[in-house]
Amino acid sequence: QQQVKQSPQSLIVQKGGISIINCAYENTAFDYFPWYQQFPGKGPALLIAIRPDVSEKKEGRFTISFNKSAKQFSLHIMDSQPGDSATYFCAATSAGYSTLTFGKGTMLLVSP
Amino acid sequence: DTAVSQTPKYLVTQMGNDKSIKCEQNLGHDTMYWYKQDSKKFLKIMFSYNNKELIINETVPNRFSPKSPDKAHLNLHINSLELGDSAVYFCASSLRTATYSPLHFGNGTRLTVT
Repeated sequence: QQQVKQSPQSLIVQKGGISIINCAYENTAFDYFPWYQQFPGKGPALLIAIRPDVSEKKEGRFTISFNKSAKQFSLHIMDSQPGDSATYFCAATSAGYSTLTFGKGTMLLVSP
Repeated sequence: DTAVSQTPKYLVTQMGNDKSIKCEQNLGHDTMYWYKQDSKKFLKIMFSYNNKELIINETVPNRFSPKSPDKAHLNLHINSLELGDSAVYFCASSLRTATYSPLHFGNGTRLTVT
């Protein structure tokens, strides 16, 4: 019940295209869903997060879509740029938990 | 100013040796963590300390011993290193008293055991 399943494992997108990464969870107690971005040689950093009281959150080119009934959420990167090439992790937690449950990560490569 | 800093950045050592990794945060956070990232990039929590008190201890060999001298520091000591310990170890911190406080990660220590 603690798992967060993330797909795809890797993704290649052309510059200007849309990158989509999907996650699914099982634990209905989860109520906070952040995405972390990790560049090579660096630690993960919070990119964007959503609570299930909204179905979508947008920050610049990054959008989280959330489907509570399906227990799924996804990250969309519009107009993908080579500088977006990184590993992306979805995660989930709730106010009662001490830590995040991470997905296994998606390596995104945006080709010039 | 580096918010979460860990040293060393690289650590190459032989099997059987003992090594330590140090971590410091200047964010005023009350909770610190150690994560292990394997070659497939999977992030696995190892330990969590809140105000110097151990609150999470995942299934980790007891060769790994965390120590928190104060809430701004969390060190990781590893005894009798094994080949399978090779990974990137990340320190992180958060503010537990704040709901949904994001994790702030250091830049990692790449441990290679030969």
